[in-house]
Amino acid sequence: DGGITQSPKYLFRKEGQNVTLSCEQNLNHDAMYWYRQDPGQGLRLIYYSQIVNDFQKGDIAEGYSVSREKKESFPLTVTSAQKNPTAFYLCASSGTGDQHPEAFFGQGTRLTVV
Amino acid sequence: RKEVEQDPGPFNVPEGATVAFNCTYSNSASQSFFWYRQDCRKEPKLLMSVYSSGNEDGRFTAQLNRASQYISLLIRDSKLSDSATYLCVVKALTGGGNKLTFGTGTQLKVEL
Repeated sequence: DGGITQSPKYLFRKEGQNVTLSCEQNLNHDAMYWYRQDPGQGLRLIYYSQIVNDFQKGDIAEGYSVSREKKESFPLTVTSAQKNPTAFYLCASSGTGDQHPEAFFGQGTRLTVV
Repeated sequence: RKEVEQDPGPFNVPEGATVAFNCTYSNSASQSFFWYRQDCRKEPKLLMSVYSSGNEDGRFTAQLNRASQYISLLIRDSKLSDSATYLCVVKALTGGGNKLTFGTGTQLKVEL
């Protein structure tokens, strides 16, 4: 089945540790995105990538890093510099042409800092 | 000003009611527009794309007004299962590629 897979679904991290969230897609989409959602809030864009080896900061990139070494994969690292990392993290991908511009999401990763 | 703005609600409506959601966007170069639905503690799922000519999918009608930079979603004959948060989404081409920006969402509660 085609889709986007995020892992793990739940993640607990000690303060001061870096952690990497996985996002893999087999939809052959060029564009991939990372969002953060806090309780009762909307989605805020962390990073996005249009093509391999290229990515752009979103609205709240501080304390996060990404890589795009393969088209299928766009991992997000939450670093110890992120002051309030507990949140629901969502990865999405979309086509870049006009025919299928809509985005599809993974099931998300709930990160809790303990 | 936020790039995409929505009334957060909640909208509490009786079953069978018609409800309308509005959304405004600030980037006049925006190219594509969508409505997503998000259930509690789940990922957003595409409800429908929004076209300039307006489009309908069953009980749902979406409209776009590019001149006013305004998007709407109309739900007719509301069902209990329509209870969710509805997210307005705008896609714009930036120097770094296609950027998808979400509104904060409008919460809908359909009641008996």
